[in-house]
Amino acid sequence: GAVVSQHPSRVICKSGTSVKIECRSLDFQATTMFWYRQFPKQSLMLMATSNEGSKATYEQGVEKDKFLINHASLTLSTLTVTSAHPEDSSFYICSARGPPGVNTEAFFGQGTRLTVV
Amino acid sequence: AQSVTQLDSQVPVFEEAPVELRCNYSSSVSVYLFWYVQYPNQGLQLLLKYLSGSTLVKGINGFEAEFNKSQTSFHLRKPSVHISDTAEYFCAVSDTGTASKLTFGTGTRLQVTL
Repeated sequence: GAVVSQHPSRVICKSGTSVKIECRSLDFQATTMFWYRQFPKQSLMLMATSNEGSKATYEQGVEKDKFLINHASLTLSTLTVTSAHPEDSSFYICSARGPPGVNTEAFFGQGTRLTVV
Repeated sequence: AQSVTQLDSQVPVFEEAPVELRCNYSSSVSVYLFWYVQYPNQGLQLLLKYLSGSTLVKGINGFEAEFNKSQTSFHLRKPSVHISDTAEYFCAVSDTGTASKLTFGTGTRLQVTL
C-alpha cells in the first residue's frame, strides 16, 4: 500500500507553547487528509478533514483556533496545536487519501505522541 | 451517521487457538467495513476491507472477516493465532458516499499467550 509519513513520532513541549505535526504522503497525491486523536486505551476520534487548497472541516467540539490544520500541497498537511496544555497530551494520527473514486482507501501515518508538561 | 460496536474490550487467547473478534455496526445507508490493527505507539494498518461482492473477505496475516448484512455484523476471525498477533484491533465503517471518513469502534485488545 501507499506510504504516509508522520513526523515527529514523539514530542514533548512546555505548556503554553505550540507544536506542529506533519503528515506527508510519500508516493501518492493526497487530496484529502484526516486528523484523529486517540486517548489512552480508547478509539480514534476524528478531529477534522482537510482537502488540499481549502479550509479544513472540523468535527463538532473540536476548537479550530486551537488545532490549526493546513493542507497547502497534495503531499503535506500539518496540524499545529497552539498554546498547548497538559490536557492536549494525546496520540495524534493522520490518514491520507487520493482523489475520490471507487475503492479509494485512506492510509495512516504512524502517529505522534504529544506530551505537554 | 454510523456507529460501530465492539463488545469485547479484551480477548485473551492461547497461541495456536482460533479467535473471533466481534464487530456490529449501525447505519441507515450502505456501508464499507474495515478492520485495522494497531501495535503499541504506532499508527493503524489495514487488515482487510469489505466494499462489495463476496461477503467473506480475506486479509493479511491470515485474518478473514464475514459481512452479514442481516445481522449488521463484520466479525474478524483467525483459525490459529500467534504471539505476534497481540495488538489492538479496530473495526471501522464508512458510508459509500464519503468513503474514507471512518467511524471507529472502541477497539479490542487481543492478548495471545503461550
